[in-house]
This record gives sequence, C-alpha cells and structure tokens, in this order.
Amino acid sequence: EDQVTQSPEALRLQEGESSSLNCSYTVSGLRGLFWYRQDPGKGPEFLFTLYSAGEEKEKERLKATLTKKESFLHITAPKPEDSATYLCAVPLSSSASKIIFGSGTRLSIRP
Amino acid sequence: KAGVTQTPRYLIKTRGQQVTLSCSPISGHRSVSWYQQTPGQGLQFLFEYFSETQRNKGNFPGRFSGRQFSNSRSEMNVSTLELGDSALYLCASSGGPGDTQYFGPGTRLTVL
Repeated sequence: EDQVTQSPEALRLQEGESSSLNCSYTVSGLRGLFWYRQDPGKGPEFLFTLYSAGEEKEKERLKATLTKKESFLHITAPKPEDSATYLCAVPLSSSASKIIFGSGTRLSIRP
Repeated sequence: KAGVTQTPRYLIKTRGQQVTLSCSPISGHRSVSWYQQTPGQGLQFLFEYFSETQRNKGNFPGRFSGRQFSNSRSEMNVSTLELGDSALYLCASSGGPGDTQYFGPGTRLTVL
C-alpha cells in the first residue's frame, strides 16, 4: 500500500540550530516527491519537487534531498519566520493524478 | 501570473444545508484537485478533474461532489452538511497528472 510517513511530528529548535525533517515513502515507481510549507489557516506553499534518487534542491535556508526510500528537508541556521508545518507528498503508484500527503512536521523556531 | 483563487474564504452553515465552493486555477492549468484538511485527519484527497472529467475520487461519501467547467474553473458541492464536515477545503491546480500542484488559500467551512 502506498504510504507517506513524516517524522518527527513536531520539532522545536533554537534560532540558528540546524536540523532535518524526514519523509519516508512506500510507492513503487516514484513519479516525484513534493515538499510544501503551510502556515496556520493558509494553503500549502510549494517548495520543491524531486524526481530521482540523489537529486538535491535548495532554496534559502532549505535543502531537500531524495533517496530511494526517503527524503530529507534540511534546515540550516533557521530563523523564527521558518516556523510552519512542512508537508511532503507523492503521487500514487496506481494513479499519478492522486496525491497522498504525509501528516506533516510542525516546526517551531525560538528566537 | 495569478495564483489559485478560492471563494468564499469563510463560510458558516448549519447542519442539513448544502454548500458550493469555487476554485479558479492558475491560467493554463487544466487539472484541479480538491482536498479536505482537518486537525485529526490531515490533508485528504477528495477528487481530481482534468478537462472537465473526474479522473480520481477519494474515500468520501456521495454527499461530496464536484465539477469542472470548460475554462478549467471548478466547483465542489457538499449536500446535507454534517458537523464533521467543518474543515479547511483546499483546491490545487497543476498542468497535468503528477505535476507539481499549487494550492489556493482555502475555504474555511464551519458547520453549526
């Protein structure tokens, strides 16, 4: 069964303290893995799409990496404005038009 | 390029009523997906439309329905509202199946 699992559920960091969020997936024939950021009460904001193992993408303090079983979102020297819920998602192996989301990691950065 | 827009942004209804939500995708996008987001269940897929055809449906009762128009705008309808339907309803558009989806701001539905 296709599944996406994110860990940890919540993470509290001090400003400047780097860390990583994990997204593990069980989908055969991965057609892409998406990372989003969501602020409370708002729609998810697109961050990255990764397609193949070994691929990396960066944006400001964020870097996403992909292996055959999981993806990591590395946050370097975070700031309080990086506080949000980070979601990862993949298309189902049976239907690319159906996307399944992980439950997210709630990230809180203390000044 | 304008992003995905959703109307209304907030809605309060009572049990038993019905509601229609609207979504306008990014210009040129032909795929529109709908999601329900609640604190307990997270983001759950409702359905996806492409070129006016529903191609996928999630595990929701038949009270949830949708449609897509020739200009790719989409509506979803929920009939006979229940308290448990209170949620943030999100619409996302993409160029095609499996492409990156871009989300709208959502419609916050409260059922009393």
